[in-house]
Amino acid sequence: NAGVTQTPKFRILKIGQSMTLQCTQDMNHNYMYWYRQDPGMGLKLIYYSVGAGITDKGEVPNGYNVSRSTTEDFPLRLELAAPSQTSVYFCASISRRGGSNQPQHFGDGTRLSIL
Amino acid sequence: DAKTTQPNSMESNEEEPVHLPCNHSTISGTDYIHWYRQLPSQGPEYVIHGLTSNVNNRMASLAIAEDRKSSTLILHRATLRDAAVYYCILRLPQGGSEKLVFGKGTKLTVNP
Repeated sequence: NAGVTQTPKFRILKIGQSMTLQCTQDMNHNYMYWYRQDPGMGLKLIYYSVGAGITDKGEVPNGYNVSRSTTEDFPLRLELAAPSQTSVYFCASISRRGGSNQPQHFGDGTRLSIL
Repeated sequence: DAKTTQPNSMESNEEEPVHLPCNHSTISGTDYIHWYRQLPSQGPEYVIHGLTSNVNNRMASLAIAEDRKSSTLILHRATLRDAAVYYCILRLPQGGSEKLVFGKGTKLTVNP
C-alpha cells in the first residue's frame, strides 16, 4: 500500500518558471490537502479538496492553483515561481467515510527551491 | 480555530519517559485533541487523539486534564527514533473541511 505519493522529491526552479507538483493517493480518500512548510515553522494550508471537482482555498493560496479531476490525484500548480515560494510542500489525504477523527496521511514532501 | 501552546523544545534521555505538554485554554466542548509528529525530512504522521478520557495506543499515551484546558503526550520509553517535532492540534469531529492547523510544535531531542 503506497499511501500518499508525491513527485518530484526535489526541484530547483528559476524565477518566473512554472511547474506542477504531483500528488496521488491509493486509499480512495475523498479529502486531499496541500500544505507548505517554511524552515523552522509549522505547516500552512494552501488548498484543499473535499472530492473530485471541488476545491477551496486555505490559508496561503496566492500564487498557486489546484485541480481535482479524479479521486486519486490532486496536483498543485505554480504559474510564476517566486523566491517566496521556496519551501517544502506536503500533500495529505483523509477519508471522511470511516467516521469522525480519521487521521490525515501525509506524503514525504517535495523540496522546492526557486532561485 | 482554537489555539494550542507548546514549549519550543524539550530534551530527554533514551529509555526514559517523556511528557510533552500542550495548553489549549480556549478549547470548545466538541474539539478533539490530536497529536502528530514529524521526523526529520519526512511528512507528519498521526500519533494519537482523544476527547475527554486518557487514551493509549502502541505509540504513546494521551493524558487529558479534567477541565480539558491542557493535555500531555507521554512516550513511555523514548528511543532515538522518537526525536521529532510534536504537534498538538485541536479538531472538530466532523468539522467542515477537516483542516489541520499546525503551530510550531515541540522539538524533542533524545540523547543516547
